[in-house]
Amino acid sequence: EAGVTQFPSHSVIEKGQTVTLRCDPISGHDNLYWYRRVMGKEIKFLLHFVKESKQDESGMPNNRFLAERTGGTYSTLKVQPAELEDSGVYFCASSQDRRAAFFGQGTRLTVV
Amino acid sequence: GENVEQHPSTLSVQEGDSAVIKCTYSDSASNYFPWYKQELGKRPQLIIDIRSNVGEKKDQRIAVTLNKTAKHFSLHITETQPEDSAVYFCAASRPSNTGKLIFGQGTTLQVKP
Repeated sequence: EAGVTQFPSHSVIEKGQTVTLRCDPISGHDNLYWYRRVMGKEIKFLLHFVKESKQDESGMPNNRFLAERTGGTYSTLKVQPAELEDSGVYFCASSQDRRAAFFGQGTRLTVV
Repeated sequence: GENVEQHPSTLSVQEGDSAVIKCTYSDSASNYFPWYKQELGKRPQLIIDIRSNVGEKKDQRIAVTLNKTAKHFSLHITETQPEDSAVYFCAASRPSNTGKLIFGQGTTLQVKP
């Protein structure tokens, strides 16, 4: 069974540019989460989808971040325009029962 | 707000010794507590979890204990091996709500051969 897959693994962009991260969850997992780890700090929650619906987006930093999950399958997280403080590792996780969450390998985003 | 404090931030032990990592959570409604291990360059992996109706759970060399009254939970690794070296994260959540994980700050464990 395939795990959670994220693309790209690394991205370096200039301040002001746009970046789109993608997450393919484990097949059949309705719950999809985005998290971010900045500068060696704790992993912080960004938002939660159940199928295609946003259940909780309380962790989204500001309106430069937009997440979608069209059709309830893969999800994208777009940052537009990117700022320096957006640098970090973005993780996606999926879960069947809102308990055990399986993480992707993350996308390391560097904004220069 | 919801918060999880994790200590220590770094831990160095000799191979064969035990390692203990402690976490405290603030949301008394939390009832699910997973632990994740992240090796360098790899994804966080769930290694053990405990629900609030259980005080202790063991899986080979790993055990987790939970004190709901004190809102503390701990990870115990016995007979440590070099391959246990990694960053360990504790987390707390409410699966009946969104299931979002509130993570501790992480503990970098180094096991010296």
